[in-house]
Amino acid sequence: EPEVTQTPSHQVTQMGQEVILRCVPISNHLYFYWYRQILGQKVEFLVSFYNNEISEKSEIFDDQFSVERPDGSNFTLKIRSTKLEDSAMYFCASSEVGFGSGVYGYTFGSGTRLTVV
Amino acid sequence: AQSVTQLDSHVSVSEGTPVLLRCNYSSSYSPSLFWYVQHPNKGLQLLLKYTSAATLVKGINGFEAEFKKSETSFHLTKPSAHMSDAAEYFCVVSDDGTLGGSQGNLIFGKGTKLSVKP
Repeated sequence: EPEVTQTPSHQVTQMGQEVILRCVPISNHLYFYWYRQILGQKVEFLVSFYNNEISEKSEIFDDQFSVERPDGSNFTLKIRSTKLEDSAMYFCASSEVGFGSGVYGYTFGSGTRLTVV
Repeated sequence: AQSVTQLDSHVSVSEGTPVLLRCNYSSSYSPSLFWYVQHPNKGLQLLLKYTSAATLVKGINGFEAEFKKSETSFHLTKPSAHMSDAAEYFCVVSDDGTLGGSQGNLIFGKGTKLSVKP
């Protein structure tokens, strides 16, 4: 079964450093997402991406965050200057279609646990 | 606005007994509803989804859920728990939005941790 692959599985970084989280979505999917889950809290939507631009973003996704699809396969989340509160599990997801994609569902990766020290 | 409430943060059952994980939702539109499972150190795996077809939805690993519009509920059940079912379960509603609007972003419940005793 096709998978969404995320690397690394765990990253530790110092406060103020830049981090890039990587994701390889399913090859025929067109919509890409990042979600995060702070320990003990809900999984929260960060951003959705389609046709090489951001479709929608949440309040969490401020100027410190950016997303990119640098080539035909990777989808990255960059945090420019990490803060302690950025420590979380970050999930990448992809879906075949966007509007109404509830019909098709999303495929999630196994997550990257980011620890900011 | 859509929201989802999982009524129990932790459920503990004995192996071989039924499982009931409760979920209530609030949605302005005809919702799409999902249950995802997360095993330790693993990603989110789709168990089942409701998309306005049959109200009783069968998923993987013997799980099923029933959409009850009158009760705004989408409870997850399994007749007989297995040790491998121990995990965290998330009830999720899709914000399908208005035509041409939202990309169908997911709104998660807080999760229910299922423990299975031998």
